[in-house]
Amino acid sequence: DSGVTQTPKHLITATGQRVTLRCSPRSGDLSVYWYQQSLDQGLQFLIQYYNGEERAKGNILERFSAQQFPDLHSELNLSSLELGDSALYFCASRRGLAGGPDEQFFGPGTRLTVL
Amino acid sequence: LAKTTQPISMDSYEGQEVNITCSHNNIATNDYITWYQQFPSQGPRFIIQGYKTKVTNEVASLFIPADRKSSTLSLPRVSLSDTAVYYCLVGGGTSNQAGTALIFGKGTTLSVSS
Repeated sequence: DSGVTQTPKHLITATGQRVTLRCSPRSGDLSVYWYQQSLDQGLQFLIQYYNGEERAKGNILERFSAQQFPDLHSELNLSSLELGDSALYFCASRRGLAGGPDEQFFGPGTRLTVL
Repeated sequence: LAKTTQPISMDSYEGQEVNITCSHNNIATNDYITWYQQFPSQGPRFIIQGYKTKVTNEVASLFIPADRKSSTLSLPRVSLSDTAVYYCLVGGGTSNQAGTALIFGKGTTLSVSS
């Protein structure tokens, strides 16, 4: 158990719909990252938040957005869903301190299926 | 971030030592080398990280030559439960307090048989 929690575990929805994925980082971790893993693209970085502010963006579509709340949990919003958005979505967290191994802790993921 | 090249797959038997080599010719001076392990339908798990020479923990060893253009993850006496995908990543490091995103390649699928 990494200490990172994600809900829901599974999500099945239809094209055109909107969903929200939730992530609670490890206690005390300031950085939250979202990754998407699909069969054809592998693991891809989407977006990073640090202490409530957006820090870095990766291959995140304009239909996707995220935020990190004052209690440090994060939500990833996916809208106008397409079949190709079906994937595993992972959240990871990191302490945010300099020094020591730069380790990210991954949650169990949310499996999104778009029909 | 530096691009990495590692074998697509490797096969081994229980009890053997497995060495997975990763090439990263364009590694930058402040880049670290990190390895993650991923089981099917689970999130990646940090294995080990190093900057130069050799790093060892309770799970694995990481060998980094002086030129740092490659690295080798060594798993001693593998078991069936070590069957997973292993990713070599270069970049990041702890100088950035906020941390940096991980850029994953294809990884190496290790299959351990009895």
